[in-house]
Amino acid sequence: SYVLTQPPSVSVAPGQTARITCGGNNIGSKSVHWYQQKPGQAPVLVVYDDSDRPSGIPERFSGSNSGNTATLTISRVEAGDEADYYCQVWDSSSDPWVFGGGTKLTVL
Amino acid sequence: QVQLVQSGAEVKKPGASVKVSCKASGYTFTSYDINWVRQATGQGLEWMGWMNPNSGNTGYAQKFQGRVTMTRNTSISTAYMELSSLRSEDTAVYYCARGGTAAPFDYWGQGTLVTVSS
Repeated sequence: SYVLTQPPSVSVAPGQTARITCGGNNIGSKSVHWYQQKPGQAPVLVVYDDSDRPSGIPERFSGSNSGNTATLTISRVEAGDEADYYCQVWDSSSDPWVFGGGTKLTVL
Repeated sequence: QVQLVQSGAEVKKPGASVKVSCKASGYTFTSYDINWVRQATGQGLEWMGWMNPNSGNTGYAQKFQGRVTMTRNTSISTAYMELSSLRSEDTAVYYCARGGTAAPFDYWGQGTLVTVSS
């Protein structure tokens, strides 16, 4: 089945830019979705179809996808962005929905 | 507004079964798939399967084939996930989430903690 690889952790200072990667074989040919999960809460969709934002998600959240890597970019990071972030793709295989292992974003 | 409200926490013994419900409101229940995702403490998200509330069609992750059953009652806009032959490794928070074929999970339930312990 398809595998998505994320770094376990990313750290960034407030006001800086955080980039969280999601690696997969030819992931650029798939649509990637990103979720934010804060402790004790359900995940929230923050980016879908590589780079689109749901209503209510700040413009600071953006995404890109090419080759073997998709990236979630959070600009002007705030303390409230501290959370776990998961990438997800649909793969037309035996287990169609696949999540990455998650990345813990720490705001220093 | 769209809401998915799940049933409360459960404690089960090994070998037992658990059935978690997910009541939808704020949209047409039969127009979107319901997916189930679980998360063990300190671990990542694990997709379990999907159900089309209109047709009742389902698709399960290989890991759960033979142990999971997803059903629905359209008259009350509620989806169910039943997991059998529980073991301690099934202790986790179980989420339902609205989605569709290749469509992202745009709304999630609040989660249901299932604890498996003797």
